[in-house]
Amino acid sequence: SAVISQKPSRDICQRGTSLTIQCQVDSQVTMMFWYRQQPGQSLTLIATANQGSEATYESGFVIDKFPISRPNLTFSTLTVSNMSPEDSSIYLCSVGPVNTDTQYFGPGTRLTVL
Amino acid sequence: QKEVEQDPGPLSVPEGAIVSLNCTYSNSAFQYFMWYRQYSRKGPELLMYTYSSGNKEDGRFTAQVDKSSKYISLFIRDSQPSDSATYLCAASSGGYQKVTFGTGTKLQVIP
Repeated sequence: SAVISQKPSRDICQRGTSLTIQCQVDSQVTMMFWYRQQPGQSLTLIATANQGSEATYESGFVIDKFPISRPNLTFSTLTVSNMSPEDSSIYLCSVGPVNTDTQYFGPGTRLTVL
Repeated sequence: QKEVEQDPGPLSVPEGAIVSLNCTYSNSAFQYFMWYRQYSRKGPELLMYTYSSGNKEDGRFTAQVDKSSKYISLFIRDSQPSDSATYLCAASSGGYQKVTFGTGTKLQVIP
């Protein structure tokens, strides 16, 4: 099984600043995903982090707001840029294909923007 | 219309009860159906996944998919207080394709 860690686990940030969230996996994985989980809402896919190429963003999410890095097969970062209170959410990374029982989520990063 | 709709709950049941959690979906391309359990302040944990229609059983948990009616169910037998969590249904067309989640049902099992 894959073990996923995220840093920070939580943070409180000021409007207009940026926060970088790290996701570390204990084994090499082909694809990593970043999700947002807003209060009372379902998980929403932000982007797919591809190793060696640019991330693939979902509709409604743009690289300038959520730049992603994927320097190797075990690590990725998501930056939430120029934050506003609407960015307050839990951010989760995940790995694994859906057609197996090996899809895993990290513990999440709880972000509050004041 | 959301692609995956889930009864929002919350749902409160006595210990030992049979719990039924349900979702509907609209995308006919969905082939893989998942249930995740999420404890407070934790990431979602994959509980069960099912390919196409049919039932899948794992201990006290049974996942059921009816593609003809686009209906997904999770049954929990002999529910325990440790089952108290939010349960998210999800679906995908497979492989590394995007997973679409329901909003989650918060379940509380009362001792």
